[in-house]
Amino acid sequence: AQSVTQPDIHITVSEGASLELRCNYSYGATPYLFWYVQSPGQGLQLLLKYFSGDTLVQGIKGFEAEFKRSQSSFNLRKPSVHWSDAAEYFCAVASSYKLIFGSGTRLLVRP
Amino acid sequence: SAVISQKPSRDICQRGTSLTIQCQVDSQVTMMFWYRQQPGQSLTLIATANQGSEATYESGFVIDKFPISRPNLTFSTLTVSNMSPEDSSIYLCSGGGDSTEAFFGQGTRLTVV
Repeated sequence: AQSVTQPDIHITVSEGASLELRCNYSYGATPYLFWYVQSPGQGLQLLLKYFSGDTLVQGIKGFEAEFKRSQSSFNLRKPSVHWSDAAEYFCAVASSYKLIFGSGTRLLVRP
Repeated sequence: SAVISQKPSRDICQRGTSLTIQCQVDSQVTMMFWYRQQPGQSLTLIATANQGSEATYESGFVIDKFPISRPNLTFSTLTVSNMSPEDSSIYLCSGGGDSTEAFFGQGTRLTVV
């Protein structure tokens, strides 16, 4: 069965430091992968998505993600975190037009 | 990208009552979905809202509890019936053309007392 694993429940980084959020997926075919961000009390905003082609995907707000088929991973990165990036981040895989979400990673940003 | 509006944004309801949540998309979309996000949890798909036919429910969700309508390609409703405190969650509507896009509304924060 398809699944998504986000191994880190919480991550704390200092403002200005780099960030990497981990995501591993289980999917039989070529996956469609997504990263969403959810600020407190808000809905989900799409950061970026991968379907095919270049394995390094650029998204909004300075985020990027790299698809590594050999590792079944789709990790999200940002070179310099801002305080406004504090939020919950969800990785998801599309399966038959539906999204299967990981459990989420809460990002805390230290001043 | 599609813009998705949900109403109400939040509500506090008495147990045993029902609440209908509306989802409006600013353009026609092929697929519409309803998700539930329980407190501190990830999103779980409730059902796929099919235009012109009955919704397709995921395991653990039934039509009597979560009736869904989709009268056209831009609108859907989800009703949470006979509510109990366990139904307190954020309910999110999602729409898109296919697996390549999925946009979400801001969600409806439901508290059942």
